Formats: sequence, structure tokens, C-alpha cells
Amino acid sequence: EAQVTQNPRYLITVTGKKLTVTCSQNMNHEYMSWYRQDPGLGLRQIYYSMNVEVTDKGDVPEGYKVSRKEKRNFPLILESPSPNQTSLYFCASSRVAGLGSYEQYFGPGTRLTVT
Amino acid sequence: GENVEQHPSTLSVQEGDSAVIKCTYSDSASNYFPWYKQELGKGPQLIIDIRSNVGEKKDQRIAVTLNKTAKHFSLHITETQPEDSAVYFCAASRKQAGTALIFGKGTTLSVSS
Repeated sequence: EAQVTQNPRYLITVTGKKLTVTCSQNMNHEYMSWYRQDPGLGLRQIYYSMNVEVTDKGDVPEGYKVSRKEKRNFPLILESPSPNQTSLYFCASSRVAGLGSYEQYFGPGTRLTVT
Repeated sequence: GENVEQHPSTLSVQEGDSAVIKCTYSDSASNYFPWYKQELGKGPQLIIDIRSNVGEKKDQRIAVTLNKTAKHFSLHITETQPEDSAVYFCAASRKQAGTALIFGKGTTLSVSS
């Protein structure tokens, strides 16, 4: 079954305590992305990766780090979380599906609360 | 940078009616325009997309139209059903495979039976 998995699904942490949210896909997709979703602001892209060792900033990269050492994994790292990073986070993977279209899947989301 | 405006923010229709959601974008270099459906408690799901070299694309009850000159694109859902109720997002990108997407703020569609 094609899927994107994220862990943990829920996390409550304190300001300044480093954390990592993992993302893994089993579809051999080249492209992976991280988004945050906030009420009234919609979805905003944090970082994306076009392939292994190739990453780029999205709209809201401040306070986040990513790495793409393997094709299937794209972890999101918060070195020093702050309360304004409380949000719902989604990982996604995609590939070109032909005829100008793409195949894309989102993970189930990680709800992060930083106190 | 790119900015995507989406209207309306909420839309209520009767089952069987059509629903139309409109988006405008600002970056004329954007060339990929996907639409997503998000149900409560789930991640967004890509439902249809269109590239800038195509004016219209249809998939069963869903269609998307693109007007490059006016920089706007629309989602059309015909014969709506209660299971179409969800939040719909449009997005625009100038890069590959849905990377560097800029999203609209979403439309909550309610279909009543």
C-alpha cells in the first residue's frame, strides 16, 4: 500500500527542547516536502527536497532544518522549538506521473504543541 | 513572490447542485495548479491538477479551468454529494512535481441532502 508515514502523530514539548519529526514514504518518490497548517493561514511549505541531498527553503523555513540522506526519509528538525511553532505538520511525497500530472501523497499529520 | 487568493471561504450547496471555487495567482511564471480536498482529521488529498499549457481538465464530476491571461483558475464540482463536503485548497507552483507550492486559504464546502 502506497503511504507516507509520520511519527510521532502527537507531541507536546517545552520551549527549547530539540525534537525531530520523521517522515517516510514507500513509493520511491523523488520529491518530498514539509508543510505546516494553521487556522486562517492555510498550508504553508516549510522545506522541500527534489532528491537525495537536495533541499530548498519553502515559504516559512525559519526555525526548522531538514535532511535528505536517503530517498525514502525526510525528517523535520526543530533545534529549539518555540510556542509559535505550535501547529499541524504534514509531510508529502510526489513524483511526475506523466502527461504533465503528478502523483502526490500526504502523510496523516503531526500535531505539535510547544509550551 | 507568489500569492494565491481563493474564494469563497465557505460554500453551501444542496445535493445535486454544482459548486465552483475560484483562485487567482500573481506570479505569471507559475505553471502548475493543483487542487486538494481535506477531510476532517486527514491530510490533503490531490484531486485534480492542471498545467499551464492546458485550458481545461476533467475527471468524472470534477473539472478545473485555467485562464492564464487573467491568472485565475477554478474548480467545478457537478452533481455534488454529501461526501464532497470538505475543505478544498488550490495551489500554484513554478517548480516540479508540486514542490514550492503556494496555497490558497481554503474553501469549506458543505453539501446538504
